[in-house]
Amino acid sequence: KQEVTQIPAALSVPEGENLVLNCSFTDSAIYNLQWFRQDPGKGLTSLLLIQSSQREQTSGRLNASLDKSSGRSTLYIAASQPGDSATYLCAVRYNQGGKLIFGQGTELSVKP
Amino acid sequence: DTEVTQTPKHLVMGMTNKKSLKCEQHMGHRAMYWYKQKAKKPPELMFVYSYEKLSINESVPSRFSPECPNSSLLNLHLHALQPEDSALYLCASSQDPTGAISYEQYFGPGTRLTVT
Repeated sequence: KQEVTQIPAALSVPEGENLVLNCSFTDSAIYNLQWFRQDPGKGLTSLLLIQSSQREQTSGRLNASLDKSSGRSTLYIAASQPGDSATYLCAVRYNQGGKLIFGQGTELSVKP
Repeated sequence: DTEVTQTPKHLVMGMTNKKSLKCEQHMGHRAMYWYKQKAKKPPELMFVYSYEKLSINESVPSRFSPECPNSSLLNLHLHALQPEDSALYLCASSQDPTGAISYEQYFGPGTRLTVT
């Protein structure tokens, strides 16, 4: 069964800290992996997309890595800010149909 | 422009009502998706349209009826819903989902549906 797991479920850090969010998946035959941010009651904002042939992607203070062999991806957030507080979701696409399988999310709180 | 719009933002309906949710994108994307999200849970895929044809139905009850009138528009028709159908309904779009290159999915802000 294709499953996506995110650990931890919740994380609270002081402002300015560098942090890592983890995502693991059971089947390494992925097409791509996408990281999203969701604010309470809002839609999903795409942060980074990593193709199966790539090892990492960077956007500003965000860096996402992908290790297919171990079934893991990490999202690194540098110099965290209170505005980074949100739920972060990773989602894996396994085939050409476009279906994304989501992890349960990590709820991040950055304290001033 | 990477915007997906959804209307209405909020909808309250009785179990005997018929209503529709609308989604629109002008990015030239050829795939559009409906997801359902319950509180504190990740989104769950309901339907996928590829080139205006229904390509995936995740065994969704028939009280939900999707429609793709053209490549920019996606509707979700609702009829005889149950209170447990109350959720945030999210629309998304992406470029060609059938090609060798896989693309980002862009999500709209969602419609908060309450069934009374």
